[in-house]
Amino acid sequence: LAKTTQPISMDSYEGQEVNITCSHNNIATNDYITWYQQFPSQGPRFIIQGYKTKVTNEVASLFIPADRKSSTLSLPRVSLSDTAVYYCLVAQKPYNTDKLIFGTGTRLQVFP
Amino acid sequence: NAGVTQTPKFQVLKTGQSMTLQCAQDMNHEYMSWYRQDPGMGLRLIHYSVGAGITDQGEVPNGYNVSRSTTEDFPLRLLSAAPSQTSVYFCASSYGGAGETQYFGPGTRLLVL
Repeated sequence: LAKTTQPISMDSYEGQEVNITCSHNNIATNDYITWYQQFPSQGPRFIIQGYKTKVTNEVASLFIPADRKSSTLSLPRVSLSDTAVYYCLVAQKPYNTDKLIFGTGTRLQVFP
Repeated sequence: NAGVTQTPKFQVLKTGQSMTLQCAQDMNHEYMSWYRQDPGMGLRLIHYSVGAGITDQGEVPNGYNVSRSTTEDFPLRLLSAAPSQTSVYFCASSYGGAGETQYFGPGTRLLVL
């Protein structure tokens, strides 16, 4: 299972774009990159997943360079409600019987 | 479609007591996991299962037992509760394993005195 490294915490202000980078130097050919968001007192929820280049949905964008050794989650114009912990995970698809390790994530604090 | 449900929401135990945390999903997911989360910390994997009758240990399995007799249910048993097991416990499930979207339950908050 590819290990990931991400910043422990980040601060931002409302309306700014936030980019959280995750390092996964040992990513394997069949590994996909997935980001989860966790609000206090709730379980994590899926935000976005990608394999290479760029993926965008209504919540975020995910940028993955050609070597796939890192990825960047981009949150456009954050609001106070984006204050949460963000986890970057790397895991093989399709069917994968490995254990899924979440780690400590990046704690994003958005200020007014 | 209720998703992933967990019971109870909150429980207080005395040291040495045993209890079972219930987790159920109605999405026909083969892959299920239990995590614990201590205050201000990330999630740590306790046990996981890739299908009925198959379970395996995670990062912090000591003091916990699991079984998977059906696809829907994945109970977590605390054999003899200790204050160090005070935590919030989350159950998760997915179709297709670790690389697929994980769906989490609302959590069980456990306090061991």
